[in-house]
Amino acid sequence: EAGVTQSPTHLIKTRGQQATLRCSPISGHTSVYWYQQALGLGLQFLLWYDEGEERNRGNFPPRFSGRQFPNYSSELNVNALELEDSALYLCASSLFGGETEAFFGQGTRLTVV
Amino acid sequence: GENVEQHPSTLSVQEGDSAVIKCTYSDSASNYFPWYKQELGKRPQLIIDIRSNVGEKKDQRIAVTLNKTAKHFSLHITETQPEDSAVYFCAARGSARQLTFGSGTQLTVLP
Repeated sequence: EAGVTQSPTHLIKTRGQQATLRCSPISGHTSVYWYQQALGLGLQFLLWYDEGEERNRGNFPPRFSGRQFPNYSSELNVNALELEDSALYLCASSLFGGETEAFFGQGTRLTVV
Repeated sequence: GENVEQHPSTLSVQEGDSAVIKCTYSDSASNYFPWYKQELGKRPQLIIDIRSNVGEKKDQRIAVTLNKTAKHFSLHITETQPEDSAVYFCAARGSARQLTFGSGTQLTVLP
């Protein structure tokens, strides 16, 4: 069974541009979570999607947004990129309702120059 | 919202010794407490978890304990090996339903 997959692995963008990151959850998982991990720091919660709806968001500005598609895959969009957005963006998935174990993808390394 | 504090931030032990990492949480509704291991350049991997109806759980050299009254939980690694060297994160799932992570512990096992 395939695990959580994310694309692209690496992404380099210029300040002010937009970035789109993608996540495919484990088959059967309906919840997708996005986390930001800045270099040497912990995992900061960004967004949680379940059954196609945004269930919760962390303390990030509105230029961080996303969506979940009918097949439960998800997209994270970051608009008006700033240098401090450079980080590893991790996606995790779990079975419905966030009641079970969450498994992480390998992450997308976003570098803003 | 949930707040999870993790200590220590760095921990060095001799190979074969035990390592203990401690976390506290704030949301009394939290009912699920996983631990993740993240090796350099890799994804966090779930290594053990515990739910609020259980006080202790063991899996070979790894154990987790939970004290709901005090709102703290701990990871215990016995007979440490060099491959245990990594960053360990605790997390708690509270009323908001997503996982809130601690700040991480860099464990170094010295040969």
